[in-house]
Amino acid sequence: EVQLVESGGGLVQPGGSLTLSCAASGFTFSKFWMSWVRQAPGKGLEWVANIKEDGSAKYYVDSVKGRFTISRDNAENSLFLQMNSLRVEDTAVYYCARDEGGKDYWGQGTLVTVSS
Amino acid sequence: EIVLTQSPATLSLSPGERATLSCRASQSVTTYLAWYQQRPGQAPRLLIYDASNRATGIPARFSGSGSGTDFTLTISSLEPEDFAVYYCQHRINWPQTFGQGTKVEVK
Repeated sequence: EVQLVESGGGLVQPGGSLTLSCAASGFTFSKFWMSWVRQAPGKGLEWVANIKEDGSAKYYVDSVKGRFTISRDNAENSLFLQMNSLRVEDTAVYYCARDEGGKDYWGQGTLVTVSS
Repeated sequence: EIVLTQSPATLSLSPGERATLSCRASQSVTTYLAWYQQRPGQAPRLLIYDASNRATGIPARFSGSGSGTDFTLTISSLEPEDFAVYYCQHRINWPQTFGQGTKVEVK
């Protein structure tokens, strides 16, 4: 059974940093692109970033470029999102998702709240 | 950036009725378009990928069509669990934008 479990969310002050993790199981992690997608409270879905199977290509939405870094550890079946210089508008539930055709499996999400 | 515009914003229907949701792209995405369902408090679920292919385990009442810039998600006969928000998303380039969503609510 495919499972994606996010962790690392929490309350952080504006300008602070946080690293999200996504533990993958039930499939060969190293063979799939992976994504981060976020959803602000009461709002729609926003694609944030994705990363190629071997980590050699990474793409970001403009609003997080230079502040967020996506990475992966294929030996540990884990996906990460390092978030720096956090802003109030980064407040959202962050989902990791597997890319296969569409985003065919999603985690349950982890809430990041940026507030003073 | 490709903008996806979904219509209508809200669709008020009764169980058993047919739902037709639209997603229009600001430029061609060929068939690299997916549809997702999101129920309250849950993660999104992939329904349709590459415009017309049902994802694993998705009931046959869900179908997708279209290519280029105009796409449709059809739910042939609404079940109680189908009342939710639906999003389209492209993957032809980056950023892989989502539409703003269509809420299907009980009339």
